[in-house]
Amino acid sequence: GNSVTQMEGPVTLSEEAFLTINCTYTATGYPSLFWYVQYPGEGLQLLLKATKADDKGSNKGFEATYRKETTSFHLEKGSVQVSDSAVYFCALLNNAGNMLTFGGGTRLMVKP
Amino acid sequence: ETGVTQTPRHLVMGMTNKKSLKCEQHLGHNAMYWYKQSAKKPLELMFVYSLEERVENNSVPSRFSPECPNSSHLFLHLHTLQPEDSALYLCASSQDNRQGGYTFGSGTRLTVV
Repeated sequence: GNSVTQMEGPVTLSEEAFLTINCTYTATGYPSLFWYVQYPGEGLQLLLKATKADDKGSNKGFEATYRKETTSFHLEKGSVQVSDSAVYFCALLNNAGNMLTFGGGTRLMVKP
Repeated sequence: ETGVTQTPRHLVMGMTNKKSLKCEQHLGHNAMYWYKQSAKKPLELMFVYSLEERVENNSVPSRFSPECPNSSHLFLHLHTLQPEDSALYLCASSQDNRQGGYTFGSGTRLTVV
């Protein structure tokens, strides 16, 4: 079956530091890949997506590139802010588009 | 406002109570989902409805009973729950294709006492 593995947190950074959260996946066919963010007390919000190999998703300064050769979709941001503190989930959508599989989530804490 | 509205936001119930969680979406999506999010555990998919028909039931105990009367509404009926059922219950909707992601509600924080 499909699966998503992401680095365990928490990840603690100082403001303006560079962020990488690793995500790798196992899937058959050609899945779509997503990053979701969950702020305290809220549901999940779609952050960015990529639907085919070599696509780069980007939003709010975050980027992730769909790497089929390494089955990865690592999340990066050049300069984090305190307001980026949240839990980040990597997810994979199957070919049929009806099953979204999540990684375990990575908590990011950004200190001033 | 994400387009998916869940009520109530918080619920405290006794183990002998019966309650229902409600989810509503006005995005024109044709699929809806219930997820359970517990502390220190991955998100667990509970139920999937596509075109108002249940297509997935991941071995969820019968004390959880979903209902999807139309494509815009989804309910989760709760009956004789256990304390370990305390969690954040998230509803999501999607258009059944590969392009879009899921849109999530803000969740219902359930505490079983």
